[in-house]
Amino acid sequence: AQTVTQSQPEMSVQEAETVTLSCTYDTSESNYYLFWYKQPPSRQMILVIRQEAYKQQNATENRFSVNFQKAAKSFSLKISDSQLGDTAMYFCAYSGNTPLVFGKGTRLSVIA
Amino acid sequence: DSGVTQTPKHLITATGQRVTLRCSPRSGDLSVYWYQQSLDQGLQFLIQYYNGEERAKGNILERFSAQQFPDLHSELNLSSLELGDSALYFCASSIGAGDHSYEQYFGPGTRLTVT
Repeated sequence: AQTVTQSQPEMSVQEAETVTLSCTYDTSESNYYLFWYKQPPSRQMILVIRQEAYKQQNATENRFSVNFQKAAKSFSLKISDSQLGDTAMYFCAYSGNTPLVFGKGTRLSVIA
Repeated sequence: DSGVTQTPKHLITATGQRVTLRCSPRSGDLSVYWYQQSLDQGLQFLIQYYNGEERAKGNILERFSAQQFPDLHSELNLSSLELGDSALYFCASSIGAGDHSYEQYFGPGTRLTVT
């Protein structure tokens, strides 16, 4: 079975600084997709970024980018120019032949 | 606003009771997924329906069941409720069927409290 591990339960960053959230996964599938979801205090699940495993190029979405290391099965999220509105739980997720498998999440606090 | 609606927002009930959670997917989406978010287990996939048919099953208890209706809305039925069933239940929808690469749009969730 696929597993997703987020080793940082909590992190904090100063406003305008850069922070990186870690994620590793385990799978024997060759074709899969990786996601980062954000869950702010409102509890809404919001897709931040998506990466196809067959693409070598790292996905970017404005201030959010990933470092996808397929051989190492690593998928970290970098948030640049952190804003107060980035304060949230961040979940790394995997999907292949099964629907989303989530990590336990990292609680990110952005400090003014 | 994701376009996915869930009702009710909050539900408080007693152990042993039965409840029904409702979800309407985004316009055009044929797949509905149900997830459970609890402090103990984190976010877990329960079940997926595609165009009225069950497509994938996850860690769904036998006391739980779901269905998707011809108008594509879905209901999750939870019976013989236990304290441990207290959780946030999310519905998500997507265009895809067996291919889970499509983006899933999440509803606001239903907060279930079992007392």
